[in-house]
Amino acid sequence: QSALTQPASVSGSPGQSITISCTGTSSDVGGYNFVSWYQQHPGKAPKLMIYDVSNRPSGVSNRFSGSKSGNTASLTISGLQAEDEADYYCSSYTISTTSFGGGTKLTVL
Amino acid sequence: EVQLVESGGGLVQPGGSLRLSCAGSGFTISSYWMHWVRQAPGKGLVWVSRINSDGSSTRNADSVKGRFTISRDSAKNTLYLQMNSLRVEDTAVYYCARGGRFLEWWGQGTIVTVSS
Repeated sequence: QSALTQPASVSGSPGQSITISCTGTSSDVGGYNFVSWYQQHPGKAPKLMIYDVSNRPSGVSNRFSGSKSGNTASLTISGLQAEDEADYYCSSYTISTTSFGGGTKLTVL
Repeated sequence: EVQLVESGGGLVQPGGSLRLSCAGSGFTISSYWMHWVRQAPGKGLVWVSRINSDGSSTRNADSVKGRFTISRDSAKNTLYLQMNSLRVEDTAVYYCARGGRFLEWWGQGTIVTVSS
């Protein structure tokens, strides 16, 4: 059982927006602004998309954004494109551990 | 260019040992926090272990405590994961990654299969 809870799947049509949630506790997601998000295409290594809740690394499209409210973090992808179809994972850092969510499969219809 | 290349995976019997390596290039491993993350076939990412930049602190997931040890060799610019008392459930692709609070660079992974 993952420490962080994500929906197993989400879907959307090209051009639409979707949001993936990541629920933890006050000891991880709620207690620190150290949530990150990763995109993984089949057979590939994960890629960092968002760090420290809402920051985008250089080169990541501004269609990707992150936020947090209480113990739940969210990743929003706007203007969905076919290439966004992938698995997405949230992660939380604390002083004692790092943890991942179970992952969410995004399908672009 | 930053690169991480894992090696050392393979087939091992339950109860056996394996040492994974992660060779870094384009940066100095001893200047960064480093992690191991694994992914069982068809499953999600699972954090395994991390080491801080000066090597003074390591952390392990409960599932590998007492069995896996993370370390590094600054002269070889290489990160290691010593895996002992391997179990069938340790079967996975093992990734090394650079970063502290977040994992900014990932290797392509090495496959570990634990089976009799």
